[in-house]
Amino acid sequence: GQNIDQPTEMTATEGAIVQINCTYQTSGFNGLFWYQQHAGEAPTFLSYNVLDGLEEKGRFSSFLSRSKGYSYLLLKELQMKDSASYLCAVMDSNYQLIWGAGTKLIIKP
Amino acid sequence: GAVVSQHPSRVICKSGTSVKIECRSLDFQATTMFWYRQFPKQSLMLMATSNEGSKATYEQGVEKDKFLINHASLTLSTLTVTSAHPEDSSFYICSATSRGAVEAITQYFGPGTRLTVL
Repeated sequence: GQNIDQPTEMTATEGAIVQINCTYQTSGFNGLFWYQQHAGEAPTFLSYNVLDGLEEKGRFSSFLSRSKGYSYLLLKELQMKDSASYLCAVMDSNYQLIWGAGTKLIIKP
Repeated sequence: GAVVSQHPSRVICKSGTSVKIECRSLDFQATTMFWYRQFPKQSLMLMATSNEGSKATYEQGVEKDKFLINHASLTLSTLTVTSAHPEDSSFYICSATSRGAVEAITQYFGPGTRLTVL
């Protein structure tokens, strides 16, 4: 079967750095997405990785290792507004998105 | 760019009535639109995928006669929940993909519609 694993919840301190991991097993791979979802709102697109390595976009970076079936989202200089759920999703060989359950990130002052 | 709107944002209806939700791509032509449902503290559940001018493809377990999808143009898709019941109460979210290399597979989401059936 296909599955995406990410931690259910993480807590971090304002101003710090946090890394949210995602491991996946899918039938084929056409890229991995990270989305941010605030409570009661729809997801917003953060990043897309299809090649191995690190993609940096401001305070957020996303890393992919296809051989390990592994990705992480790195958030630097955490702000209170970063409190949200972070969804990892993988596009399989049929271009279907397989969604993880999301990681709820709690930022404390 | 890649803005998707949804209307209404919130709707409360009586059991047995039908509710229509609109999803529009505002600044791009959506090649494909997706409809999701999300229950509290759960992940997104894909309900159906629709391409403009063709019938929607429904996921297993989703009743096509209950959740009617119309994708009449490249900028508009509608989801009609027919004969709604309290168990249909959920957060319904649409997303769309555009043309272009990365944009063709990146889903951009609407703000969602919270449906409450009394």
